[in-house]
Parts: sequence; structure tokens; C-alpha cells
Amino acid sequence: EAGVAQSPRYKIIEKRQSVAFWCNPISGHATLYWYQQILGQGPKLLIQFQNNGVVDDSQLPKDRFSAERLKGVDSTLKIQPAKLEDSAVYLCASRGRTPLNTEAFFGQGTRLTVV
Amino acid sequence: AQKVTQAQTEISVVEKEDVTLDCVYETRDTTYYLFWYKQPPSGELVFLIRRNSFDEQNEISGRYSWNFQKSTSSFNFTITASQVVDSAVYFCALGGGGGSEKLVFGKGTKLTVNP
Repeated sequence: EAGVAQSPRYKIIEKRQSVAFWCNPISGHATLYWYQQILGQGPKLLIQFQNNGVVDDSQLPKDRFSAERLKGVDSTLKIQPAKLEDSAVYLCASRGRTPLNTEAFFGQGTRLTVV
Repeated sequence: AQKVTQAQTEISVVEKEDVTLDCVYETRDTTYYLFWYKQPPSGELVFLIRRNSFDEQNEISGRYSWNFQKSTSSFNFTITASQVVDSAVYFCALGGGGGSEKLVFGKGTKLTVNP
């Protein structure tokens, strides 16, 4: 079974530029998450999708971050404009069944550096 | 609010030593789930274990064991006879409270096993 795929692996941009990350979850997984992991900290949930609907985006900085999951499969996370404090690893995860008795599978993440 | 505390930031041991990683959590929910994930240098979060709040039975899987104690709100992780390949950052996470499916992570413990 293929895992969660993310691209790119690394990205360096200047502040105020825009950037997009892509995630392809495990086939058949209805739930998709984007987490932000700042260096030295644990991952923090940005947004959760159930199929193509948003379940929780309470911690997403909506003035600059946006995410979509068209057709309930792949997802993109965009930052526009980027700030220095957005430097982090962005992790995508997916999960199959509900309720929460199965684990989430994580991709390798995209490491963003804003200079 | 849910919170996970991993007081040990970094631990360094010599191969074959036993090591215990501490995790203390806070939640007002009666139903919740606890997780441990391993994050090797490659960056991907690897699922290790999930426990629900109604099952306090300790678990052993090979060299890994987990001690769940609701009375002290702790979910500690022990690696017996550590190996160099165990070197990674380990995260404890809490989820499932109040019907939420998001995970709240601790800040992680970086384990270095020296040969």
C-alpha cells in the first residue's frame, strides 16, 4: 500500500512570496489533515478535511493560508504572502475509518524556509 | 483544553540501556485516545501505538512497552535494550476528546542512542 505522498520535499522562498504544497493521501482515506511543525515543537493541526469538506480549520491563519481538497482526494495548502514565522515542516496525514480508533498515516512533509 | 507535556527534551543513552520517555496529558473528556509516534531524521511520523481511555492494560511489543495510568494522567514509553536505530524524536499525542478527531501533540523527546 502506497503511503501519503507530499511534494515538494523542500522549498525556500522570500518573505511576501506565495507557495503551495501538494498532498496525495492513501487511497480510500476520507480524512485528510495538514499539520504545521515548527522546529523543536510537536505538529499543530492547521486544517482537517472529511472527503472534500472542512471539519476543523480553527487554527488556520485564514488571512494568509488556504487549503482545498477537490474531489475528496488530493489536497493543496497555500500560503500567500509568506512570513518568516511560517518557516516549518508542513505534514500531511490521512486516516481511514471513523471513529478515532485507527491511526493517521503521515507523509514525509515539506520543509519550508522563508528568508 | 487538551494538553500533552513531554518534560524530557533530549535523552542520550548508550546502546543496550533501557530508556523511558515520559508523557503527561490533560483533558476533561472521559473518552479519549493516546498515541506515540516516532519521527526519524527522514521526517515522517511513524505510528507506534494507540490506547483508548478505557483500556489501562499495559502493552508490550518486542522491545517496546507502554505504561498507561489514568490516576496520574501518564502514558509512558519504555524501550528495552535500546539500539542505535531507535534514535529519533518521539511524540506523545492525545486525540478523540469531545468527538474531535484532531491530535494534540507534545513537543517531543529527542532520543540519541550511542554505540
